[in-house]
Amino acid sequence: QKEVEQDPGPLSVPEGAIVSLNCTYSNSAFQYFMWYRQYSRKGPELLMYTYSSGNKEDGRFTAQVDKSSKYISLFIRDSQPSDSATYLCAMTYGNKLVFGAGTILRVKS
Amino acid sequence: GAVVSQHPSWVICKSGTSVKIECRSLDFQATTMFWYRQFPKQSLMLMATSNEGSKATYEQGVEKDKFLINHASLTLSTLTVTSAHPEDSSFYICSASLSRGLGGEQYFGPGTRLTVT
Repeated sequence: QKEVEQDPGPLSVPEGAIVSLNCTYSNSAFQYFMWYRQYSRKGPELLMYTYSSGNKEDGRFTAQVDKSSKYISLFIRDSQPSDSATYLCAMTYGNKLVFGAGTILRVKS
Repeated sequence: GAVVSQHPSWVICKSGTSVKIECRSLDFQATTMFWYRQFPKQSLMLMATSNEGSKATYEQGVEKDKFLINHASLTLSTLTVTSAHPEDSSFYICSASLSRGLGGEQYFGPGTRLTVT
């Protein structure tokens, strides 16, 4: 069993839809939770960074952490074709980042 | 802020040769830098962690004599792939952290695509 599980998709949605991306994890020692966006042949870009359970909002993005269920989510409102990318969840243990497999998102105009 | 660059962005080399990849933090001093590799349609796999002025810590299964890491300053780390073979072809990505990574925030470079022929 992987430490971080993430459905690789691809997930296809129409422009303007609300997108929900999710990860589950098994290690209760994970401390910080992040979402990265990665365009093809580029390095990951940090989108959201959270520590505690609850919601954190930044523009069209909302990150949600439920430590009791070991479940994190990223919601994208009013999705745009430019949001098409691979979204990677990541979590820290000490100074190491453990990544999910990444979900490919395609937003169709 | 928090910009990380890598050079080169892509490189093709012949089997048996060595390749050096540079990672620079452009607008901050990075206490810790990390090196990852990513195969097509797969996630990032941590190869090693390096702190300025000390030896890198390699992940299990990563050959330290093959992947030489030097972190000579707070803004520069290099990865040298020695005696490269076709199976070393991959996307190599570095990241940099302000706080030895303990806060979790890592800022990634754009990656270097290595093709070994």
